Amino acid sequence: QSVLSLPPSASGTPGQRVTISCSGSSSNIGNNNVYWYQQLPGTAPKLLVYRNNQRPSGVPDRFSGSKSGTSASLVISGLRSEDEADYYCATWDDSLSGPVFGGGTKLTVL
Amino acid sequence: EVQLVESGGGSVQPGGSLRLSCVVSGVTFSNYAMGWVRQAPGKGLEWVSGISGSGGTSYYADSVKGRFTISRDNSENTLSLQMNSLRSDDTAVYYCAKDEAWGSGSYSGFDSWGQGTRVTVSS
Repeated sequence: QSVLSLPPSASGTPGQRVTISCSGSSSNIGNNNVYWYQQLPGTAPKLLVYRNNQRPSGVPDRFSGSKSGTSASLVISGLRSEDEADYYCATWDDSLSGPVFGGGTKLTVL
Repeated sequence: EVQLVESGGGSVQPGGSLRLSCVVSGVTFSNYAMGWVRQAPGKGLEWVSGISGSGGTSYYADSVKGRFTISRDNSENTLSLQMNSLRSDDTAVYYCAKDEAWGSGSYSGFDSWGQGTRVTVSS
């Protein structure tokens, strides 16, 4: 059981907007930067959002991140079939003195 | 282009040892913290260990503390993970990953990943 809570699944149809929320506490999200990863089946994770809301070069602007208090969100706009993947949030946890990952959200594009 | 290439995975009996290595190219290795992240079959990502750019500071997940040792050789651009007293629940794909933050490191933001090396602990 991770200290970061993600919904186990999410879904949407092509073109839709999907939001994945990551819930934490004051010792992790509330006090540290949040990172989002996408993992396509059988591949290594890929950084989608860093430092709460920054996109690495090459990541489409359909992906956006935000943070408020002890929660963070990943929004995928204009959903595409290739977005079907597992998504993880991560941040440093001051109490654990180490980074933590959310359990992952499996996104299905219907 | 940054590249990370892991090696050293394999099958081992419970109680055994393995040493994973990760060779990094395309970046000034010593400027970045590095980490190991694992993924058990059908499970999510689990951070294992991290090390500062100089190698002077390291961190471990409670699940591996006292059994695993992370190290780096900045002259060889190599990150290592020595895994001792392996248990069945250490079975996973192990990824090495480069921190996104130049210098001090974020330890949770990894912008480059290796392809992963599989470790199987079974009798």
